[in-house]
Amino acid sequence: DAGVTQSPTHLIKTRGQQVTLRCSPKSGHDTVSWYQQALGQGPQFIFQYYEEEERQRGNFPDRFSGHQFPNYSSELNVNALLLGDSALYLCASSLLNRISNYGYTFGSGTRLTVV
Amino acid sequence: DQQVKQNSPSLSVQEGRISILNCDYTNSMFDYFLWYKKYPAEGPTFLISISSIKDKNEDGRFTVFLNKSAKHLSLHIVPSQPGDSAVYFCAALKNYGGSQGNLIFGKGTKLSVKP
Repeated sequence: DAGVTQSPTHLIKTRGQQVTLRCSPKSGHDTVSWYQQALGQGPQFIFQYYEEEERQRGNFPDRFSGHQFPNYSSELNVNALLLGDSALYLCASSLLNRISNYGYTFGSGTRLTVV
Repeated sequence: DQQVKQNSPSLSVQEGRISILNCDYTNSMFDYFLWYKKYPAEGPTFLISISSIKDKNEDGRFTVFLNKSAKHLSLHIVPSQPGDSAVYFCAALKNYGGSQGNLIFGKGTKLSVKP
């Protein structure tokens, strides 16, 4: 049973460029959330997608946008990259209407380096 | 403003002894508290959780204690094993309208268990 898969695993971009990260949720899950983990910090919530719409959003600028496809997979787009966007980007999936005590299932992340 | 705080960046423990990881929070409306374990180059993995209406939850070597009056929780690992060496994140979850909300993480505590 495949868990959450993310691609690519590593990425190097130049300041000002745009980047797209991809995520396939765990089989049976319908909700995808994105988190940013900067060095030495805990993961910070970016946004959550359900039924192809943004359901919740954290405190991130509009440069961060996303999309969810009919097969529940998701993309995270970041425009006008800044050096401070360098971080590990984590995707997590869940079932929206199944409240559980384990939160979410996380992927291994995409390490983005902005130079 | 950090809603979930882990004030100890690191902890070193001898194999076989008890590891105690601490976490404080500020929002009394959280529904669940969770502990995640993270190895380098992997995403966070769910370890154990506790509902806000409980004060203790145990799963094998892992026990989480919740003190609501002090807004404090702790994770006890007994006995500690070298394979427990990882970064441990405390996280809080508030559900909205019958469905899952987003996770709010602390900065993590790096546990090193020495043989």
